[in-house]
Amino acid sequence: DTAVSQTPKYLVTQMGNDKSIKCEQNLGHDTMYWYKQDSKKFLKIMFSYNNKELIINETVPNRFSPKSPDKAHLNLHINSLELGDSAVYFCASTVLLNTGELFFGEGSRLTVL
Amino acid sequence: AQSVTQLDSQVPVFEEAPVELRCNYSSSVSVYLFWYVQYPNQGLQLLLKYLSGSTLVKGINGFEAEFNKSQTSFHLRKPSVHISDTAEYFCAVSDLGRGEKLVFGKGTKLTVNP
Repeated sequence: DTAVSQTPKYLVTQMGNDKSIKCEQNLGHDTMYWYKQDSKKFLKIMFSYNNKELIINETVPNRFSPKSPDKAHLNLHINSLELGDSAVYFCASTVLLNTGELFFGEGSRLTVL
Repeated sequence: AQSVTQLDSQVPVFEEAPVELRCNYSSSVSVYLFWYVQYPNQGLQLLLKYLSGSTLVKGINGFEAEFNKSQTSFHLRKPSVHISDTAEYFCAVSDLGRGEKLVFGKGTKLTVNP
């Protein structure tokens, strides 16, 4: 059983479109994240939710909107996609106020043409 | 705010050679330190972590790291690498009390050649 699963794994779309990436974890964790990994492999935190409440919101364009319907799910919706949004987006989860050990999904590679 | 510097972007080594991947951090408070590994086309997985106690930490796959507070370093080592260790390695830090915010270094690509 996959602990943190993301869909889709690959997404190719045109500039200006709107797309969503879904994430689900079956670890019973209460905190979930979205990280963006650029073409140089740099990982940057975007958002974090704890029990459906937003606790971290880094400097991210408001075209990105996370949604957490319950503590096991964290989705990422992106409006008006731009070329610079091309990246691998990783979902991760942990227990809040844990020591920082994150469990990552396998990533969703977004390509904007 | 904390930050992490990985001094080498790429490290090529031969199989069965020792390797050291360097990591320095900066923070105004006490920290937790981590090394994660990313194999091609996969997510990250935890190699090892330093929370407190002994400064020498052992992880999976024969890796170990030493926390040096005076030098603000957390270098990763393995005495003998295998081809299968080829991957991207990330050092990360979180402030004590803010374990939910993990900051990553830019990664070191380890390539093990036969």
